[in-house]
Parts: sequence; structure tokens; C-alpha cells
Amino acid sequence: KAGVTQTPRYLIKTRGQQVTLSCSPISGHRSVSWYQQTPGQGLQFLFEYFSETQRNKGNFPGRFSGRQFSNSRSEMNVSTLELGDSALYLCASSWGTGASYEQYFGPGTRLTVT
Amino acid sequence: DAKTTQPNSMESNEEEPVHLPCNHSTISGTDYIHWYRQLPSQGPEYVIHGLTSNVNNRMASLAIAEDRKSSTLILHRATLRDAAVYYCIPLTQGGSEKLVFGKGTKLTVNP
Repeated sequence: KAGVTQTPRYLIKTRGQQVTLSCSPISGHRSVSWYQQTPGQGLQFLFEYFSETQRNKGNFPGRFSGRQFSNSRSEMNVSTLELGDSALYLCASSWGTGASYEQYFGPGTRLTVT
Repeated sequence: DAKTTQPNSMESNEEEPVHLPCNHSTISGTDYIHWYRQLPSQGPEYVIHGLTSNVNNRMASLAIAEDRKSSTLILHRATLRDAAVYYCIPLTQGGSEKLVFGKGTKLTVNP
């Protein structure tokens, strides 16, 4: 079974631009979560989608948004990029939503904002 | 969310068993205990999780204390590929259920 895939793997953008990252979950998984990882802040939760509905949201500004499609694929968008948005963005998928389910991570998208 | 305490680092030799402890004394009755690991320059990887009973899978075993205030991740035969930072994460059913990685335990495996 194919794992979680994320595209693109690497991205360089300029301050003020916007970016869209894509995540394809493991087949059959209906929950997709997004995380930001930086050396200073560690792993931080952005949001979770389940059956096209945002279920949980982390403490990030409104510039960070996401959505999930009917095939469970998900995208996240960051508008008006700032230097501090440079990070590894990770997507994780799960069969269901809740503490009893494990999450499987993709390889991440490395975003660099210059 | 329950707080966890893990040793900062541990060392093992290849092909020997490794026992990674985690203290989670403030855990609630509905918290699942999850373990993830992160290899250098890679995304996190799920290892195992459980609620009350000991659990086994192809990667590891999870031994949960009877009072659930601590657990131990057991790698039966460490390989070089097991060198990673291991995170113990209690997750509350019905809570935010998002993963929060603490400092974890950095495992070094010697050939």
C-alpha cells in the first residue's frame, strides 16, 4: 500500500507570495492532519480534516488555511508568506479521527521563504 | 494533556534489546499511549500505541504498567536503522488528539 505522499518536496518562495502544498493520504484513510516543524519550535499542529470538515485547528494565524476533497486528498495554503514560515510542513493521515488511531506521516515539504 | 518524562538519551548495541521508558503519571483513564520516532532528516514515524494492555507489532512491543503511570517501549533487537529520537505521547480520546512532541529520547545504536 502506498504511503502518504506530499508535493512538492521542496519549495522556495519570496516574502509576500502565497503557496499551496498538497497531500495524498494512504488509500482508505479519511483523516488528514497538517503539522509545521522547525528546529526552534519543534512539531506544531496546524489543523485536521476529516470527511472534508475541519475538525481541529492549531494556534496559527488566518494566513494558514486548508481544505480536504471528497477523495480525502488535502491541500494547505499559506498566504502573504513571512520569513518565519520557513519550515518543514508535514502531512499525516489516519483511518479515523481520535486518540485510538495512529497517524502516518509523509516525507514533508521543505518550504524556504527568502 | 498528560505530561511525560523521558530520558534525554540512551545507547544500545546492535542486535541487543532496548527498553525505552516513559513516565506519564498524570495520565487519565481515557488516554492512549502513543510512541513515534523521528530519524534524522525524515518525518515522524508511528511505532506503536496502546490503552491498558501490552501491545506487540512487527516493530516493537509496548509494556504498560498496571497503574498506567509509566510505559516502556521495547525494541527486541536494535538495528542501526533504529537510531532516532523516540517520543512518548499520551492522547486523550475526545480531546484535541493532536500530536505534541516533547524532547523525546535520542537513541544511539552502536555497531
